[in-house]
This record gives sequence, structure tokens and C-alpha cells, in this order.
Amino acid sequence: EPEVTQTPSHQVTQMGQEVILRCVPISNHLYFYWYRQILGQKVEFLVSFYNNEISEKSEIFDDQFSVERPDGSNFTLKIRSTKLEDSAMYFCASSNAGQGADEQFFGPGTRLTVL
Amino acid sequence: GNSVTQMEGPVTLSEEAFLTINCTYTATGYPSLFWYVQYPGEGLQLLLKATKADDKGSNKGFEATYRKETTSFHLEKGSVQVSDSAVYFCALSPYGGFKTIFGAGTRLFVKA
Repeated sequence: EPEVTQTPSHQVTQMGQEVILRCVPISNHLYFYWYRQILGQKVEFLVSFYNNEISEKSEIFDDQFSVERPDGSNFTLKIRSTKLEDSAMYFCASSNAGQGADEQFFGPGTRLTVL
Repeated sequence: GNSVTQMEGPVTLSEEAFLTINCTYTATGYPSLFWYVQYPGEGLQLLLKATKADDKGSNKGFEATYRKETTSFHLEKGSVQVSDSAVYFCALSPYGGFKTIFGAGTRLFVKA
């Protein structure tokens, strides 16, 4: 069964450093998403991406964040200068259609720890 | 705005007990509603969904009915198993939107 994969599973970084979280969505999906979950809190939407551009983003997704689909398979989230409060589990998701009822398939997550 | 509120956990049940996890939502228009499950160490998996009022989503013995009049989507299962121990998230996707908005999650423990 096709699945979304994410690497690394755990990333530890120093405050102020840049990190890139990687995701390989399901191959025939067209819509891609990033969510985050701070420990003990809700899963929060960050951004959705379609046709090589951002289709929607939350207020969390400020100038420190960027997304890219550098090739036909990867989808990345870059945090330019990490802060302590960026420590969270980051989930990538993909779907076949973008709006409303279509199921989003989630990866296992990358745990980011900022020291 | 759009939001989801679900009952706080943890919920601890004995095997074969009846499960209800309450979920209510606030949304403009007609959102789609979902229940996701997260097993330990894994990502989120869609458990069931409903796209319009009075729809019932069901999967693996779980079910939930989209109640527009009470803005609710409560999750139920008649007889839980130890393997159902997980965190359950109620969620909505606004009509015409791309994102999914999640509730806080409810941890379920099922004892043998």
C-alpha cells in the first residue's frame, strides 16, 4: 500500500540553525501539506501546496518557513532560523484532490528538537 | 472561525465496553468531518469521514454521524478491543478550503 514517508524521524538542532524536513508524498497525489504538533497540543495546519505554489497557509507559516518541491518526488519544509518554540512533531500529508472531503494521507512525522 | 472541540482524555475502558468520544464543531458553510487515529509511534490515519448532514461514516466497527443541528460528530464503537488503544482526533475541512482543522485529541486506553 502506498504511503507517505518522512526523513529524518528525529532532528536535533541548535537555535538559529536552518533545518530542512523531507517528505515523499504518495506518487500520484497532487496536493501536499505540512502540519505540526507541539507536544501535548493540537495538530495545526501550516501550509498546503499545489501546482508548485502555496494554495493556503496559516498565520504560523511566517517568513521563517518555506516549502519546495525540488523534484518529482520530494516535498520539503525549510525553517530558516529555528527557535525553541519550533520544537514539535512535523507531519507531511498528501491527497489526490485538494478541497473538502478528500482524504489526506499522513506520514509518520519528524520530531524536531531545537536546543 | 472554524474549530473543533472534543472531550478530554484519557479515556480508560475495559475490553468489550462501549465507547463514545464526543466532538462538536464550529464552521461556516458545510464542512467535511473526519475522525483520525494515531497509534503509538505512527502518523495519523483516517478512520472515517462524512461529507454532509446525516451522513454516517463507519470503519472497523467505529461510526459517527454528521449532525448539523447539534454541530456534532461523536465517535462510537460498540465493543472496544485492546488494539483500539490510541489517540483519536476529530477534524474538519472547511468547504472550499485546503486545510484540515483538528481537535486536541482524546487518548483511549483499553484494558484486557
